Amino acid sequence: SQQGEEDPQALSIQEGENATMNCSYKTSINNLQWYRQNSGRGLVHLILIRSNEREKHSGRLRVTLDTSKKSSSLLITASRAADTASYFCATDAIQNGANNLFFGTGTRLTVIP
Amino acid sequence: DAGVTQSPTHLIKTRGQQVTLRCSPKSGHDTVSWYQQALGQGPQFIFQYYEEEERQRGNFPDRFSGHQFPNYSSELNVNALLLGDSALYLCASSLPLGEQFFGPGTRLTVL
Repeated sequence: SQQGEEDPQALSIQEGENATMNCSYKTSINNLQWYRQNSGRGLVHLILIRSNEREKHSGRLRVTLDTSKKSSSLLITASRAADTASYFCATDAIQNGANNLFFGTGTRLTVIP
Repeated sequence: DAGVTQSPTHLIKTRGQQVTLRCSPKSGHDTVSWYQQALGQGPQFIFQYYEEEERQRGNFPDRFSGHQFPNYSSELNVNALLLGDSALYLCASSLPLGEQFFGPGTRLTVL
């Protein structure tokens, strides 16, 4: 299975602290993406990093990718209560001209005000 | 510009029944993918539609079928519902091989 695995499964921090989540996957990828999900609702796309990139920033988000270790990390700096959500990494595979996403089990982040 | 929309929001069915879920893609998108997310799990890929044809399918039984219409909207049909089909069903739209934008999902409960 190409499914990613996030670590930790749950994370609780104080507002203003940084949060780091890790993702590992099993096979070669084209891209790796991070999504946020609030209370079992739809997924919000946060950031995409391509297999030939090593680091990417978007606002308070920083994503790294190490293809040799098949791992990625998501750092949220200066966390806010509104960042409380589940975070998923997703890898994609292009097969038969279509791309589907393989998701991990997610990290549940709680930011305490 | 409307994003991806799904209907209904919630649905309750009993075992053995059939259900149809609907998805309208984001404006300009022609590819629709469906995912099933069980409670506490990550989404699992069901299938992807492009040009009204199923392009790729995940590890789901034939009870799960779909359709894409000329206006790119899509339906997911599930026959002979099982308790284990209870989940959040997510639709995502994109351009071919592009970034996928997700809808809010349909929560299906099978009793």
